[in-house]
Amino acid sequence: DAKTTQPPSMDCAEGRAANLPCNHSTISGNEYVYWYRQIHSQGPQYIIHGLKNNETNEMASLIITEDRKSSTLILPHATLRDTAVYYCIVRVLLNTDKLIFGTGTRLQVFP
Amino acid sequence: DAGVIQSPRHEVTEMGQEVTLRCKPISGHNSLFWYRQTMMRGLELLIYFNNNVPIDDSGMPEDRFSAKMPNASFSTLKIQPSEPRDSAVYFCASILFGRNTEAFFGQGTRLTVV
Repeated sequence: DAKTTQPPSMDCAEGRAANLPCNHSTISGNEYVYWYRQIHSQGPQYIIHGLKNNETNEMASLIITEDRKSSTLILPHATLRDTAVYYCIVRVLLNTDKLIFGTGTRLQVFP
Repeated sequence: DAGVIQSPRHEVTEMGQEVTLRCKPISGHNSLFWYRQTMMRGLELLIYFNNNVPIDDSGMPEDRFSAKMPNASFSTLKIQPSEPRDSAVYFCASILFGRNTEAFFGQGTRLTVV
């Protein structure tokens, strides 16, 4: 799996958009970008994934650059409950493959 | 489905004792992962199974750790003998490769070895 690089921490005001970047410059053509988050003391929770097109679901949007070397997770209206560690992972989708977590970005949403 | 179920939620044991952590994956899922999380090392993959067969156990720290998956609905992670440095939160996750794309995690077992 390609390695990812994320900033260790970010702050965001409640109600504003939180934009979490991730670099994955060595990503392979068949590797997807996944995002998970972990709220304090809970198990990680899936957010969204994508290959090369932008994706949106009820939780967030995922913007992947054209060269696929980086991506951004967007929480459009952050709430205090979005305070968590966010993990960016790249992996092959349809394979018996490892799910390896890096250090993630600790997002603090403040009032 | 009730999700991935782990037991116990908390375990306190004395150094040298055997510890067994349990996991019930989501029904129908064909892969299961065991993770360990500490402040120092983050979320580490210990071992994962596909169709009840261990595929990669390279993350298992040493021979004191062992994991089994006797059937599709149950897995155990055993530590024998336990040491204080094994204190961590242990997570189990399951996924259905080929259909679902997300892994579902249990609530974890907080292990304290004194």
